[in-house]
Amino acid sequence: AQSVTQLDSQVPVFEEAPVELRCNYSSSVSVYLFWYVQYPNQGLQLLLKYLSGSTLVESINGFEAEFNKSQTSFHLRKPSVHISDTAEYFCAVSEFGNEKLTFGTGTRLTIIP
Amino acid sequence: DARVTQTPRHKVTEMGQEVTMRCQPILGHNTVFWYRQTMMQGLELLAYFRNRAPLDDSGMPKDRFSAEMPDATLATLKIQPSEPRDSAVYFCASGEDREFGYTFGSGTRLTVV
Repeated sequence: AQSVTQLDSQVPVFEEAPVELRCNYSSSVSVYLFWYVQYPNQGLQLLLKYLSGSTLVESINGFEAEFNKSQTSFHLRKPSVHISDTAEYFCAVSEFGNEKLTFGTGTRLTIIP
Repeated sequence: DARVTQTPRHKVTEMGQEVTMRCQPILGHNTVFWYRQTMMQGLELLAYFRNRAPLDDSGMPKDRFSAEMPDATLATLKIQPSEPRDSAVYFCASGEDREFGYTFGSGTRLTVV
């Protein structure tokens, strides 16, 4: 069965500093990987996804994630964070042939001015 | 932008009462999910539908929960009888294909007292 581990429940970062949010997955078959973001009192929004091809994927607001098959990881990074990045970030996995999305427990990113 | 609409946004009810949550998926989206979010368990998949047919409800306590799609514009999640442990935020999400990502509603915050 597919599963996702997000080891860091909270990550405080100073504004304009870089950040990495870690995600590891487990699956016996090939997978699709996603990062979703949840702002306070809102639903989740798709941030970026890995389906196939280049292992480095980017979002429109400066985040990037790299799929590493050997380490079964899909860590999210941003070189310089802003106050507006304050949110909870969820990593999710979906196996080939299965539409279900399984989410990690989330990482709360707090930006310190 | 097209949105997934959930009603009500907030619901407070007494233990033992029936609760019905509604979701209007985005027109044209043929896959609908129900997730529950709590601090302790994170995001749990309760059930999902494809073309209105239930595909998986293994995450749902069947003795008290039921999920239906009476038509393509409405998905419902019912709890009868409700219990305090059902207190959570319930999210509906819809999509055409996971490769495009799923769109989440703003959620129904349920409090059972």
